[in-house]
Amino acid sequence: AQSVTQLGSHVSVSEGALVLLRCNYSSSVPPYLFWYVQYPNQGLQLLLKYTTGATLVKGINGFEAEFKKSETSFHLTKPSAHMSDAAEYFCAVQNTGFQKLVFGTGTRLLVSP
Amino acid sequence: DGGITQSPKYLFRKEGQNVTLSCEQNLNHDAMYWYRQDPGQGLRLIYYSQIVNDFQKGDIAEGYSVSREKKESFPLTVTSAQKNPTAFYLCASSPRSGNQETQYFGPGTRLLVL
Repeated sequence: AQSVTQLGSHVSVSEGALVLLRCNYSSSVPPYLFWYVQYPNQGLQLLLKYTTGATLVKGINGFEAEFKKSETSFHLTKPSAHMSDAAEYFCAVQNTGFQKLVFGTGTRLLVSP
Repeated sequence: DGGITQSPKYLFRKEGQNVTLSCEQNLNHDAMYWYRQDPGQGLRLIYYSQIVNDFQKGDIAEGYSVSREKKESFPLTVTSAQKNPTAFYLCASSPRSGNQETQYFGPGTRLLVL
């Protein structure tokens, strides 16, 4: 069965610092991978997704993620954090042949001035 | 504007009561989904529908029921059999039921038990 592990339920950074949110997955077949962001009391918004092709994926708001098959990872990064980036971030995996998304438990990003 | 609407934003349920959460989309999407979100547990799939008049159970369907009589609507009923209904409920849709499809989420309904 596929699963997603997000290391760290909370990550704190200073404004302007590098953001790194970790995501590791388990899947018996090459997966599709997604990062979503959720602001308080709102729904989820897609940041970026990896399906096939280039392993470095660029998303909205300056975020990007790199698919590393050998490490079964799909970490999310942003070079310089902004106060508006404070939110909860979810990594999700989807196997080929079925549209079900399996979500990680989420990482809350805190950004201090 | 195209999107997904959920109502109400907050819902209160009394013991033994069934309540229905509304989800409407005007994106002309074929597939729709219901998720439950609990703190520290991520999102878990309750039910999904690939096409009108068809739906399947997800991972935690017990105590819930759905219908899909119209393409744009996918209401979720939380029955009295659901003993721990307090959670944030999210509805989503995707253009088709195949993989790689991005799921688009509504703003959610928070259900509380009185």
